[in-house]
Amino acid sequence: QKEVEQNSGPLSVPEGAIASLNCTYSDRGSQSFFWYRQYSGKSPELIMFIYSNGDKEDGRFTAQLNKASQYVSLLIRDSQPSDSATYLCAVVQLSGGGADGLTFGKGTHLIIQP
Amino acid sequence: EPEVTQTPSHQVTQMGQEVILRCVPISNHLYFYWYRQILGQKVEFLVSFYNNEISEKSEIFDDQFSVERPDGSNFTLKIRSTKLEDSAMYFCASSEKAGGPRKYFGPGTRLLVL
Repeated sequence: QKEVEQNSGPLSVPEGAIASLNCTYSDRGSQSFFWYRQYSGKSPELIMFIYSNGDKEDGRFTAQLNKASQYVSLLIRDSQPSDSATYLCAVVQLSGGGADGLTFGKGTHLIIQP
Repeated sequence: EPEVTQTPSHQVTQMGQEVILRCVPISNHLYFYWYRQILGQKVEFLVSFYNNEISEKSEIFDDQFSVERPDGSNFTLKIRSTKLEDSAMYFCASSEKAGGPRKYFGPGTRLLVL
């Protein structure tokens, strides 16, 4: 059973501060890791993806992966009120040849306080 | 920016009725997916589709569900005999590659079963 765990929050962060979102996963065979942002009533929107151990930076966002600890995180620097949303961690295990579905966590509700 | 479209945006149906949810994936994408999200819960994978056949399906995707690509553009999800617990937001997604980072999600169809 593939499980992705996230603290549901809400996580409240002052504007301009760093927001830190965490995720753990159970399946050691997971190979690709994703962070999606979801506004209320909307579809998930890809923010970052990471395949290799270490950090990956894209603008204000940094994804961190530690496969040994089965841990993925997302850092949002200089948080803006528009970053207020639910952040979904998702993983996929490529079985080879086929299209594999994402396993999502329940998401962390992030609130950026102006 | 290309996008996945879904129709209808909202559907209300009576328990036991059949519903068909429609999706138009991005034109050069080869992998197609259906996900659902029950209100307040996590996004759940239903099925993936590649080369005109199901590639992977979850435990949720039982005999009541079917998918079809009736022509070169549409991708449909049929629920044969809806149950109250099928009420959810249904998202279609598509991607160029298996397990690729860029899974584009459609805006969703909100299904309400009465």
